[in-house]
Amino acid sequence: NAGVMQNPRHLVRRRGQEARLRCSPMKGHSHVYWYRQLPEEGLKFMVYLQKENIIDESGMPKERFSAEFPKEGPSILRIQQVVRGDSAAYFCASSPPDTINEKLFFGSGTQLSVL
Amino acid sequence: DQQVKQNSPSLSVQEGRISILNCDYTNSMFDYFLWYKKYPAEGPTFLISISSIKDKNEDGRFTVFLNKSAKHLSLHIVPSQPGDSAVYFCAASEHNNDMRFGAGTRLTVKP
Repeated sequence: NAGVMQNPRHLVRRRGQEARLRCSPMKGHSHVYWYRQLPEEGLKFMVYLQKENIIDESGMPKERFSAEFPKEGPSILRIQQVVRGDSAAYFCASSPPDTINEKLFFGSGTQLSVL
Repeated sequence: DQQVKQNSPSLSVQEGRISILNCDYTNSMFDYFLWYKKYPAEGPTFLISISSIKDKNEDGRFTVFLNKSAKHLSLHIVPSQPGDSAVYFCAASEHNNDMRFGAGTRLTVKP
């Protein structure tokens, strides 16, 4: 009965490196959402995915950021050539399929620190 | 493009008194509203929700009020307890699970 699992919990990268954040949704959930929380700010929507499909990526920065949710395996949020401004907590959430107005279940987040 | 706004970054109340957290939204297409609670180093957890067809929903000490004409909702916690101290996020969605969050209000309940 595991909840939404995110790993790693903490990730340290130097400027210019790549960061890969993983999210395994709750069992039976096929919708995944990524949010970013900058220091002293709220949760900013980034992307909404279903299996093998990006439904809404309106919150994703135009460059360096990408997300996927393959048929098998976890959802991945990838940040290429990280910069200090990417330092934030990244939260993943999931919801069941074929539902509307369903509450989201969040993971504990990945804290990304860019040195 | 902040569609959901929580204008009070912090709120402090005495134990036993009422806590009122406010939230405003700009998108009239939002039809489902939620409150989440977040402790440090944890992900947000769902607290209570309300559909746009209602104006009030109550769950124990927590009540959410929705004023559609004013595009405003509020969360009332009564009586407030020290364990309620957390950051509270207001969220709204447009019938498609695409949820938008406010900036959060940090509630401190003093014993």
